[in-house]
Amino acid sequence: DIVMTQSPDSLAVSLGERATINCKSSQSVLYSSNNKNYLAWFQQKPGQPPKLLIYWASTRESGVPNRFSGSGSGTDFTLTISSLQAEDVAVYYCQQHYSIPYTFGQGTKLEIK
Amino acid sequence: QVHLVESGGGVVQPGRSLRLSCAASGFTFSSYPMHWVRQAPGKGLEWVAVISSDERNKYLGDSVKGRFTNSRDDSKNTLYLQMNSLRPEDTAVYYCARDNPDSPGSLDYWGQGTLVTVAS
Repeated sequence: DIVMTQSPDSLAVSLGERATINCKSSQSVLYSSNNKNYLAWFQQKPGQPPKLLIYWASTRESGVPNRFSGSGSGTDFTLTISSLQAEDVAVYYCQQHYSIPYTFGQGTKLEIK
Repeated sequence: QVHLVESGGGVVQPGRSLRLSCAASGFTFSSYPMHWVRQAPGKGLEWVAVISSDERNKYLGDSVKGRFTNSRDDSKNTLYLQMNSLRPEDTAVYYCARDNPDSPGSLDYWGQGTLVTVAS
């Protein structure tokens, strides 16, 4: 199974500042035949189901604000929130969908400093 | 508008069975693979199962293999998760989610979840 490890486990950032969350996979999730990284990012607010933010490591889902961006390839990925808003307080998860069983990172809790 | 509604959760004793349902609307259910993901109280997300659109391919996570089965009834636009031999560690909110057609294996719509509590 592919193990997904996020860092940090929690993060406090001031409003308007940049937030960066990292995700590392135990093996590459880059599929050579289409050159796509099978890596997604989700946001989960308390009492709500997860919401898809990013897929293919860097493609924003429709309706997601452009302050959210994803980058990385192979085994190392980053979710960046360019200017933190109050509504961004949540837990963020990465997920690999390269091979079954699909696996999630342990989550990163983002708070306001 | 895509809508997924899970049902069937509740309190069950260890070793007993439970069947969860996920009613889908707002999209052509029969065209999409569907997933189950669970979340233990205060914990992270765990992928549980996927079923292909034609029901020919079904996969389960290691922790539930041999105990859970997933199925679908396209005539009812409903996804199922049959859970047998339940254990306390199966206690979680169970979400159904739609496979993202733009990025297969990622999950673009989720239900609100149904809570399963396994306790004596």
